[in-house]
Amino acid sequence: GQQLNQSPQSMFIQEGEDVSMNCTSSSIFNTWLWYKQDPGEGPVLLIALYKAGELTSNGRLTAQFGITRKDSFLNISASIPSDVGIYFCAGQAAGNKLTFGGGTRVLVKP
Amino acid sequence: SAVISQKPSRDICQRGTSLTIQCQVDSQVTMMFWYRQQPGQSLTLIATANQGSEATYESGFVIDKFPISRPNLTFSTLTVSNMSPEDSSIYLCSVEGGRGSDTQYFGPGTRLTVL
Repeated sequence: GQQLNQSPQSMFIQEGEDVSMNCTSSSIFNTWLWYKQDPGEGPVLLIALYKAGELTSNGRLTAQFGITRKDSFLNISASIPSDVGIYFCAGQAAGNKLTFGGGTRVLVKP
Repeated sequence: SAVISQKPSRDICQRGTSLTIQCQVDSQVTMMFWYRQQPGQSLTLIATANQGSEATYESGFVIDKFPISRPNLTFSTLTVSNMSPEDSSIYLCSVEGGRGSDTQYFGPGTRLTVL
């Protein structure tokens, strides 16, 4: 089946820093989605990407749909404490099924 | 986006028993999905539930273990049958973002612990 490799698995942020995470796939996706999950809650959709090369922003978040359709990245600019959580990428090939990456756990630097 | 609620939000169950999880949406949707999220892991699709037809299960998931009902366009249930500790997970329902949309919106999840 399709595999999504998401990296890094975890990262520490300091307030004000920019952070980046990405997902790569062995196969092509038609749609890339980025979600954030806080403890005890379901994933919340952050950004949806529908075209290869598309660059989309949502506040301090920016995501891009890779030209090859096999990758996507998410940037968070000027991070704040509430950015802590787990971020998931998800790709959709045919039909409505989503394949999820392993997640990137964003933590605050002690 | 749709507003999705799940009941119960969490439960602790004994081995060998069954639990039915409810998912309610505030608008009519054609496709609903059930996912499992094992501790510290990502989301894995269990099945797709369309109203008026049998659910479609992913590899590794079977109807006898995870029976699903979809009686109307705003409601679905997932039952976790004959539970074992390995079934301890968060169970999430999701719905399509809208006609022709490739997005999905998730409920808050049901945290299940099996002793």
